[in-house]
Amino acid sequence: NAGVTQTPKFRILKIGQSMTLQCTQDMNHNYMYWYRQDPGMGLKLIYYSVGAGITDKGEVPNGYNVSRSTTEDFPLRLELAAPSQTSVYFCATSITNYGYTFGSGTRLTVV
Amino acid sequence: EDKVVQSPLSLVVHEGDTVTLNCSYEVTNFRSLLWYKQEKKAPTFLFMLTSSGIEKKSGRLSSILDKKELFSILNITATQTGDSAIYLCAVEAPNTGNQFYFGTGTSLTVIP
Repeated sequence: NAGVTQTPKFRILKIGQSMTLQCTQDMNHNYMYWYRQDPGMGLKLIYYSVGAGITDKGEVPNGYNVSRSTTEDFPLRLELAAPSQTSVYFCATSITNYGYTFGSGTRLTVV
Repeated sequence: EDKVVQSPLSLVVHEGDTVTLNCSYEVTNFRSLLWYKQEKKAPTFLFMLTSSGIEKKSGRLSSILDKKELFSILNITATQTGDSAIYLCAVEAPNTGNQFYFGTGTSLTVIP
């Protein structure tokens, strides 16, 4: 039982490049979330999903896209990377809308 | 194995009580320790601690880190029902294969 697995753990992107952050869970949780955490600040919700085939915008969705074709996977896509997207990204899951299980994070730097 | 352990797992107190939540850790390359309040919405950032012995305070909440003994405490004085939540501790430890290690949280319930 791996819980929530995020890949990659580190990545450096050039401005304008694109990439996908992967998130996979094996707990059969319906709710999945993507957050970003900027230095010394709280987590900000980018997108979330309440089940396969359903996604919704969070607080800071601009510049990102998600999909939820299966219960297990919730990838986050950056199409045109910008320096403002330098951050640590967390994927999380929950059975209902509280009581989260977090992944270990992806540290992204855009230069 | 790197890990973060929070105690107690759950706690029920009456309004006005003072509570102390504990977070101990065993990680390599420690960088910082963060406390979050987790309610039925996105977790709320409370404190980030990087140096031992320096208390951070925000209203009725305060926190301190002991890097020698590898633990942190979160104190809440004069508790209110609005303090009921799960309190999460996370340790930042880059370059170890994991970025952050999250504890399982302490569930606090404050009874009127």
